[in-house]
Amino acid sequence: AQSVTQLDSHVSVSEGTPVLLRCNYSSSYSPSLFWYVQHPNKGLQLLLKYTSAATLVKGINGFEAEFKKSETSFHLTKPSAHMSDAAEYFCVVSDYGGSQGNLIFGKGTKLSVKP
Amino acid sequence: DSGVTQTPKHLITATGQRVTLRCSPRSGDLSVYWYQQSLDQGLQFLIQYYNGEERAKGNILERFSAQQFPDLHSELNLSSLELGDSALYFCASSGGGHQNSPLHFGNGTRLTVT
Repeated sequence: AQSVTQLDSHVSVSEGTPVLLRCNYSSSYSPSLFWYVQHPNKGLQLLLKYTSAATLVKGINGFEAEFKKSETSFHLTKPSAHMSDAAEYFCVVSDYGGSQGNLIFGKGTKLSVKP
Repeated sequence: DSGVTQTPKHLITATGQRVTLRCSPRSGDLSVYWYQQSLDQGLQFLIQYYNGEERAKGNILERFSAQQFPDLHSELNLSSLELGDSALYFCASSGGGHQNSPLHFGNGTRLTVT
């Protein structure tokens, strides 16, 4: 069965410093992995996706994630945080043959950015 | 703007009542998904439709039902409402029914049951 674990429920950084949001996955198959962002009172927006092409995936707003099969990780990074990055971030793994509408969402990591 | 439209944005109703949430998917998308987001449960998948037919079922209560119409819009019906049904309900759509298709989310309907 597929699963995804976001290792931190809350991350706080200062503006201009790097962001690291950690995600580990479990999958019996070669997975597809996604990161979504949710700003307050908004729907989720796709940041980036990995589908077995390049292991380093670039997304919108300067975010990127690296797929590491040996570590079963798909951590999200950004070199320099901006105040507008404050939001909740969800790591998502594809759900092959499961009952979760194709995608399994992590519990989310809330990112706070201090001025 | 994701292209997915949900109405209404807010809904306040009493316990025992029934409500209908509406979703218009992105133009051309055949799949519609419904999710419930609450503080204690997080994001829970409810149900998926693909081109009018139910494709997958998640943690959807028997008091809840959904359908997708020929014009591809979808409705989520919640009945015999309880206080615990208060949550943000999201609709999402995608172009295909397979696992690599990213989802495009609407802004949600916030349901408050009093």
